[in-house]
Amino acid sequence: AQSVAQPEDQVNVAEGNPLTVKCTYSVSGNPYLFWYVQYPNRGLQFLLKYITGDNLVKGSYGFEAEFNKSQTSFHLKKPSALVSDSALYFCAVRPVNYGQNFVFGPGTRLSVLP
Amino acid sequence: DVKVTQSSRYLVKRTGEKVFLECVQDMDHENMFWYRQDPGLGLRLIYFSYDVKMKEKGDIPEGYSVSREKKERFSLILESASTNQTSMYLCASAGTYNEQFFGPGTRLTVL
Repeated sequence: AQSVAQPEDQVNVAEGNPLTVKCTYSVSGNPYLFWYVQYPNRGLQFLLKYITGDNLVKGSYGFEAEFNKSQTSFHLKKPSALVSDSALYFCAVRPVNYGQNFVFGPGTRLSVLP
Repeated sequence: DVKVTQSSRYLVKRTGEKVFLECVQDMDHENMFWYRQDPGLGLRLIYFSYDVKMKEKGDIPEGYSVSREKKERFSLILESASTNQTSMYLCASAGTYNEQFFGPGTRLTVL
């Protein structure tokens, strides 16, 4: 079965410190990988994606993510967290051979403390 | 600027009412999706459509139906609303092998 895990429900980090939000997946083939962010009472906003090529991808708002094929992981990172980064973060995969569907992780709530 | 719009941000309905949630995208995307989002459960796929008049059941289709008569519009229908359908409903669209673009969501309360 296709699945995405985000092992931490909540991540707390001090402003200015680096942050990491973890994502691992279990899908067949080589999936496309995505990160989304959701602010309160809003829809999800696309942050970044990995399709192919360089394992480190850069996205919006200073976020980046590293694809690790051997560990089937796609962790989201930012060198210096801002209070405004506090939100709910979702990892998603789109298995290449799974039609047009996406599989989402359960979400991780990030709190950046001033 | 790409856009997915949903007909209502907030909606209050009574048990047994028929409810229509509409979603419109302006990106000429083939694929459209309806999710519901509940605390602790993440996003759950209700239905998706990969072409006009085509639909596929997602993980939780019971109690819902959909309609896609035009490429840009994907409607979610609750034939007889129940209190356990109180939720945030999110619509999304995507091109082939591209990321999804989400609408702002409709928070539905069924009394």
